[in-house]
Amino acid sequence: EPEVTQTPSHQVTQMGQEVILRCVPISNHLYFYWYRQILGQKVEFLVSFYNNEISEKSEIFDDQFSVERPDGSNFTLKIRSTKLEDSAMYFCASRTGPPNYGYTFGSGTRLTVV
Amino acid sequence: GIQVEQSPPDLILQEGANSTLRCNFSDSVNNLQWFHQNPWGQLINLFYIPSGTKQNGRLSATTVATERYSLLYISSSQTTDSGVYFCAVGISNFGNEKLTFGTGTRLTIIP
Repeated sequence: EPEVTQTPSHQVTQMGQEVILRCVPISNHLYFYWYRQILGQKVEFLVSFYNNEISEKSEIFDDQFSVERPDGSNFTLKIRSTKLEDSAMYFCASRTGPPNYGYTFGSGTRLTVV
Repeated sequence: GIQVEQSPPDLILQEGANSTLRCNFSDSVNNLQWFHQNPWGQLINLFYIPSGTKQNGRLSATTVATERYSLLYISSSQTTDSGVYFCAVGISNFGNEKLTFGTGTRLTIIP
């Protein structure tokens, strides 16, 4: 079964540093997403991406965040200047178009900001 | 925005028992999925079920869209079923809709 691949699985970074989380969505999928889950809480939407641009972003997705699909296969989330409260599990997801709207999630990147 | 409530929040069962997890949502949905988050934090897709009933081995799910709820059934529980079960819904007809997650049900299966 096709998978969404995320790297790294765990990243530790110092406060104020930039991090890039990487994802390889399923090849024939059209819509791409980042979600995050702070420890012990529910999964929250960050941003959706379609046709090489952001479709929707949440209030969480402020100016320190950016997304990119640089080469048609990778999908990245950049956090410019990390804060302690950015510590969370970050999930990439993708989906194809109609009729099947089901999401496939990656296994996540656990980001720890120290 | 749409509200998604899951019950019970916690469930502790002996191995071999059956369980029913519930998801209520506050608006009509076009997408509903059940996920299992394992102890390593991975989100495993169980069902895409905006309506109707599906079965996969010991797991089955039913969504009654007109009454705005979905049920996940786990039969003959095993310790590997432990983890958090999330229901997530989407309300857009467009492909770029986002999912709204519930707060989850934490299931613990005791040997």
